[in-house]
Amino acid sequence: EVELVESGGDLVQPGGSLRLSCAASGLTSATYWMSWVRQAPGKGLEWVANIKQDGSDKSSADSVKGRFTISRDNANNSLYLQMNSLRAEDTAIYYCARVLAVAGRFYFDYWGQGTLVTVSS
Amino acid sequence: AIQMTQSPSSLSASVGDRVTITCRASQGIRNDLGWYQQRPGKAPKLLIYAASTLQIGVPSRFSGSGSGTDFTLTITSLQPEDFATYYCLQDYNYPWTFGQGTKVEIK
Repeated sequence: EVELVESGGDLVQPGGSLRLSCAASGLTSATYWMSWVRQAPGKGLEWVANIKQDGSDKSSADSVKGRFTISRDNANNSLYLQMNSLRAEDTAIYYCARVLAVAGRFYFDYWGQGTLVTVSS
Repeated sequence: AIQMTQSPSSLSASVGDRVTITCRASQGIRNDLGWYQQRPGKAPKLLIYAASTLQIGVPSRFSGSGSGTDFTLTITSLQPEDFATYYCLQDYNYPWTFGQGTKVEIK
């Protein structure tokens, strides 16, 4: 069974940094694109970033570009999100998700339970 | 960025009702659209991809249709476990964008 488990969420001050991790089991994550999606308290979903199987292709939302970096360690079936220069508006639950690729289309077919990041002084 | 607009933002319905949720893209996205269900306190769940393909394990009362700019999610006979928030997501181009969500509540 596929399981994604996020960790690393915490309370951090504005301008601070945090690194989120996502541990994958029940799948060989090296064969899939992976993503981060976030949800601010009481709000909708926002796609944050994607990374290709071998890490050679990455994309991110304009709201985090230049501040957040997605990476992966396929040997350890892990996905990461390095978050720098954090702002109050980055407060959210962060989900990692496996990307299902079907004929050039991409969908999130497995999700973790999420980890909460709170940016506040 | 492509804007995805869902309607309605919320609706009240009874068990057994037929429910329709609409998602409109600000430009054509072929059929590069998925639908997700999110129950309170839970992670989202993929229901439909490629606008109309049912994800494995999803009940057949869920269906999707549409292409280009206009898409629909239909639940033919609402069940108690279907009370949740539903989101569309376009993956036609970056940045991938979600609709704002439609909350389905019990009447």
